[in-house]
Amino acid sequence: QKEVEQNSGPLSVPEGAIASLNCTYSDRGSQSFFWYRQYSGKSPELIMSIYSNGDKEDGRFTAQLNKASQYVSLLIRDSQPSDSATYLCAVNSWGKLQFGAGTQVVVTP
Amino acid sequence: DAGVIQSPRHEVTEMGQEVTLRCKPISGHDYLFWYRQTMMRGLELLIYFNNNVPIDDSGMPEDRFSAKMPNASFSTLKIQPSEPRDSAVYFCATGQEGSPLHFGNGTRLTVT
Repeated sequence: QKEVEQNSGPLSVPEGAIASLNCTYSDRGSQSFFWYRQYSGKSPELIMSIYSNGDKEDGRFTAQLNKASQYVSLLIRDSQPSDSATYLCAVNSWGKLQFGAGTQVVVTP
Repeated sequence: DAGVIQSPRHEVTEMGQEVTLRCKPISGHDYLFWYRQTMMRGLELLIYFNNNVPIDDSGMPEDRFSAKMPNASFSTLKIQPSEPRDSAVYFCATGQEGSPLHFGNGTRLTVT
């Protein structure tokens, strides 16, 4: 079992709709959680961080964390073509940051 | 701040040659990570350092790979001898305890 798991996609989303991305992790002691966006040929860039159970909103992005279920999600509201990218879930366990394989999102006009 | 600086941006080499990748972290960041990214395997953690000390190198594929961090301003990842299956994008990322990592632009390595 991989330590951080994501659906690889691609996830096709109509422009203006909500994209929903999911991530599960295996280490129950994990302390901090991040979502990165990566455009093709570029390096990952941070879009959200979350440290405690519940929801965290930042603009069109909402991250949700449920430590009991070992589950992290990312919602992208009002999806735009510029949101087309691969979204990487990252989990920090005692200083070690591991990434999921990423979910490719394609926003169609 | 110039961010995490990696060099070279691209490296093309022949099988059997030694390859050295370099990374300059953001000043004040005490964690430094080396990742390798391929289409097949995604972003794999190779090794990470805390305060210049290697903490976990369990992701280093084999003895051909080695990494050093002689001081807080510099780290290298060396592959000797290189093989075609080492072709990938290698990222260096740095950060502070529990905080998000900042990535360099990566080094695209092609071994022919």
